[in-house]
Amino acid sequence: GQQLNQSPQSMFIQEGEDVSMNCTSSSIFNTWLWYKQDPGEGPVLLIALYKAGELTSNGRLTAQFGITRKDSFLNISASIPSDVGIYFCAGLQGAQKLVFGQGTRLTINP
Amino acid sequence: DTEVTQTPKHLVMGMTNKKSLKCEQHMGHRAMYWYKQKAKKPPELMFVYSYEKLSINESVPSRFSPECPNSSLLNLHLHALQPEDSALYLCASSQDASLSYNEQFFGPGTRLTVL
Repeated sequence: GQQLNQSPQSMFIQEGEDVSMNCTSSSIFNTWLWYKQDPGEGPVLLIALYKAGELTSNGRLTAQFGITRKDSFLNISASIPSDVGIYFCAGLQGAQKLVFGQGTRLTINP
Repeated sequence: DTEVTQTPKHLVMGMTNKKSLKCEQHMGHRAMYWYKQKAKKPPELMFVYSYEKLSINESVPSRFSPECPNSSLLNLHLHALQPEDSALYLCASSQDASLSYNEQFFGPGTRLTVL
């Protein structure tokens, strides 16, 4: 099935650093979603983006819906230990089908 | 209540067993989903129910049988599974599968092990 290209696959950073990750696709999506997943838990929705060019913030998180509708990025500012986890981008095809990126595993050194 | 709940949290079953996974939401959502997630991989869509009717089946083997008894409940019946079916099974719900603004909210998952 279709997949999104998410990068980087993993990040090792120091506490307090900023983080940036992105997703690209060959297809257009109407909605981009960013999720965080902790081990053994379900993904938790962080940010939803609905319009091309839209820039949305949720606390220290900022995400943008690319103008071409084929990409999105997520930034985390001033990382803290609880930011550790796997971050997934997902594009919504139509109204029902979510296509996920492969995930970015974030590790933070205190 | 903005929560999707799933039971059981963990399930171990033999290849000849019949078991069921349950999912419940009380957000008034009319679309519910089953996903399968293998280790270090993203979730993969299995089924979509919209207004209690099956709208998407992603070519899932018949040993997985979904059921939507009402708009709040979603079951996944398991029979004659294989060890490779061991995975985290995630349930999700969204407001309305016919809307474009349709973010999905996930439950905590059921960790299934098939022996």
